[in-house]
Amino acid sequence: KNQVEQSPQSLIILEGKNCTLQCNYTVSPFSNLRWYKQDTGRGPVSLTIMTFSENTKSNRRYTATLDADTKQSSLHITASQLSDSASYICVVTAHRSGAGSYQLTFGKGTKLSVIP
Amino acid sequence: NAGVTQTPKFRILKIGQSMTLQCTQDMNHNYMYWYRQDPGMGLKLIYYSVGAGITDKGEVPNGYNVSRSTTEDFPLRLELAAPSQTSVYFCASSYRGLASETQYFGPGTRLLVL
Repeated sequence: KNQVEQSPQSLIILEGKNCTLQCNYTVSPFSNLRWYKQDTGRGPVSLTIMTFSENTKSNRRYTATLDADTKQSSLHITASQLSDSASYICVVTAHRSGAGSYQLTFGKGTKLSVIP
Repeated sequence: NAGVTQTPKFRILKIGQSMTLQCTQDMNHNYMYWYRQDPGMGLKLIYYSVGAGITDKGEVPNGYNVSRSTTEDFPLRLELAAPSQTSVYFCASSYRGLASETQYFGPGTRLLVL
């Protein structure tokens, strides 16, 4: 069964500090891994998408890494801001051959709170 | 572009009632999706569409129906509402499939079934 596990479940950090969120997955056959940011009461917004051959990708202060061998990913947030307070969701895509379809498995998310 | 819009934002239904959740995108995307998000859980795919006139079931389709008569619209129909359908519903779209395409999500519809 495809699974995506995120840790920690929640995290509180001081404004200006860095933090790293973790994502472990057991999804196959692997196609890509995505990180989303979801503000409270809003829909998820894409931060990064990484395929098998990519091991790092950045989007402003967000840097995602991927280790396809250990099936782990991390999202590093640099110099956190109050607006970074949100849930961060890891999503892994599996590619189903034949029909050419893709299946997304969503993690439960890490709730980040940045305090002044 | 407004992106992906959803209506209503919030709705309370009685058990057994029916309703349609509306979803519209103005990005000329071929693919559209419906997800539900239960508290503390990951999003689950209900239905998706790869183009006008084509729909397919996702992971949790029971109790729902969809149609795709135009590229822009992808309504989700609940026929006999049940308390288990209390959730937040998100519509999303992408230009092509999910090989490497970004999904764009709407703001969500919060549904409470009592």
